[in-house]
Amino acid sequence: NAGVTQTPKFRILKIGQSMTLQCAQDMNHNYMYWYRQDPGMGLKLIYYSVGAGITDKGEVPNGYNVSRSTTEDFPLRLELAAPSQTSVYFCASSYGQNNEQFFGPGTRLTVL
Amino acid sequence: GDSVTQMEGPVTLSEEAFLTINCTYTATGYPSLFWYVQYPGEGLQLLLKATKADDKGSNKGFEATYRKETTSFHLEKGSVQVSDSAVYFCALSRTGFQKLVFGTGTRLLVSP
Repeated sequence: NAGVTQTPKFRILKIGQSMTLQCAQDMNHNYMYWYRQDPGMGLKLIYYSVGAGITDKGEVPNGYNVSRSTTEDFPLRLELAAPSQTSVYFCASSYGQNNEQFFGPGTRLTVL
Repeated sequence: GDSVTQMEGPVTLSEEAFLTINCTYTATGYPSLFWYVQYPGEGLQLLLKATKADDKGSNKGFEATYRKETTSFHLEKGSVQVSDSAVYFCALSRTGFQKLVFGTGTRLLVSP
């Protein structure tokens, strides 16, 4: 049981490039989330999903897109990278909306 | 809106010292309260939680009591170990809302 996995661990992008952060979970959780963690700040919710085919915006969705075609996978897409998107990105999942969220190890993204 | 305020770190202690990390919250209704821990290079893990007033969450020697009258959820441990060195996040969630609201995190450093 791998839990929540994220790839890549680290990435450097140039301004204007695009990339997809991968997230997968093998716990059959229906809820999945993407957060970003900026230095000295708490985590902010970018997008979340309550099940395959259903996604919704969180607090800071601008500049990002998501899709949820399967229960297991929840990729996060950056279309035109900007320096303001330099952050650590965490994916999480839970079974139900008020149950414990399980987090992946994070992806550290730098946009130069 | 909902918010969580934590004491700033780092908190530096010697092994076997008593630990308190303060956390206060602002929210309407009756949120659930959580402490998450992030060890170096890892994602967040749930440490403990409390879902109603006067509940005490406990795990691995850590405790926190949900105090509605003071809107607080302070984390305590009687005798810290070097292995407790990590960043601790206080968080809340409201029933029906699909997100956690995090504090900024408090780094704990324990020396031998």
